[in-house]
Amino acid sequence: DGGITQSPKYLFRKEGQNVTLSCEQNLNHDAMYWYRQDPGQGLRLIYYSQIVNDFQKGDIAEGYSVSREKKESFPLTVTSAQKNPTAFYLCASSIAVEAHYNEQFFGPGTRLTVL
Amino acid sequence: KQEVTQIPAALSVPEGENLVLNCSFTDSAIYNLQWFRQDPGKGLTSLLLIQSSQREQTSGRLNASLDKSSGRSTLYIAASQPGDSATYLCAVSSWDSSYKLIFGSGTRLLVRP
Repeated sequence: DGGITQSPKYLFRKEGQNVTLSCEQNLNHDAMYWYRQDPGQGLRLIYYSQIVNDFQKGDIAEGYSVSREKKESFPLTVTSAQKNPTAFYLCASSIAVEAHYNEQFFGPGTRLTVL
Repeated sequence: KQEVTQIPAALSVPEGENLVLNCSFTDSAIYNLQWFRQDPGKGLTSLLLIQSSQREQTSGRLNASLDKSSGRSTLYIAASQPGDSATYLCAVSSWDSSYKLIFGSGTRLLVRP
């Protein structure tokens, strides 16, 4: 059963802590993405990765970090430098980033709340 | 800078009605446009993708059209059902940044039984 999984579904963070959100895909896609969604707003791109060991900043990368050591996995770390991290985080993947191959498929999301 | 707008922000209709959701974008140099459905607290489900060379795509009761020159797309839902209640998001990718989807803020649809 192919798809994208994200864990945990809910995550609570204390001020000053770093937390890591997991994203795994078994679609054999090269490209993976992280988006942030705030209430009543569209999604905004945090980071994306075209291939293993490569990643690029999106529009709102400050306070976040990623790694891409395996094709299947693209974890996102929300650092203490992110001033307003409470949001819904969505991971996506596509065959590639180039046009014609960039139809994106999304995971179920992780809701992060700062206590 | 590409901007995507969806109007209305919310829509409530009785079951069985045919309805149209609107999406507009400011830069017509898009490569494709995707329509997504999002249920509360869930991820996005891809509904339809229209390439820039296409005028429309159909899937079951859904039909999406694209008019690049006017910067508009519509999602037509025929014979709406309560199970169609969700937020519908459109997103475009541009030729110069195909890696990135630019999203509208969505239309929240409620289909009343």
